[in-house]
Amino acid sequence: EAAVTQSPRNKVTVTGGNVTLSCRQTNSHNYMYWYRQDTGHGLRLIHYSYGAGNLQIGDVPDGYKATRTTQEDFFLLLELASPSQTSLYFCASSDWGSQNTLYFGAGTRLSVL
Amino acid sequence: GEKVEQHESTLSVREGDSAVINCTYTDTASSYFPWYKQEAGKGLHFVIDIRSNVDRKQSQRLIVLLDKKAKRFSLHITATQPEDSAIYFCAATYTGYQNFYFGKGTSLTVIP
Repeated sequence: EAAVTQSPRNKVTVTGGNVTLSCRQTNSHNYMYWYRQDTGHGLRLIHYSYGAGNLQIGDVPDGYKATRTTQEDFFLLLELASPSQTSLYFCASSDWGSQNTLYFGAGTRLSVL
Repeated sequence: GEKVEQHESTLSVREGDSAVINCTYTDTASSYFPWYKQEAGKGLHFVIDIRSNVDRKQSQRLIVLLDKKAKRFSLHITATQPEDSAIYFCAATYTGYQNFYFGKGTSLTVIP
């Protein structure tokens, strides 16, 4: 079973604050993703990457940066956090050469006050 | 881009009955349709999928049906058990494409 670990699990910050969400996967998957989950919207893709140093823009990228430093590590950066970014964030990975299955982390709940 | 509509936002069934969750999609080019389950406080995990070259797939108590003409696919959970209670998400994507389009989720409650 693929392992995807997110940290922190919960984060509270203030408007204008700087937040970094971390994700590590230990299965050598090439693709990694950041999603946000909001009631009434389901899951929406923020950014994704197909390898170290690569970044692709998802469907809701505004206000977010991301960086893939290694095959294992993918970070989501909120440099000027806003209340609209209060959400549940999921990281996922997949090995696109196989069945396209996404493996999700347990999520990070972010509150921007 | 693709849009996936998940028709039931909540669903309650009695233990032992069947549950059906319906999704529709807009892009005829979509060819891969996975389903994910999210239990309370946890991330999503894959439960079953179907590709556009078949119209039915079964894995134990889970059945997925695909109607390409109607651009509709559905998840049938037979002989439901309390542990089936969760949020279920349908999704769609294209062959070779990296972005999954998710429905908004269906909260299923199985009443003992």
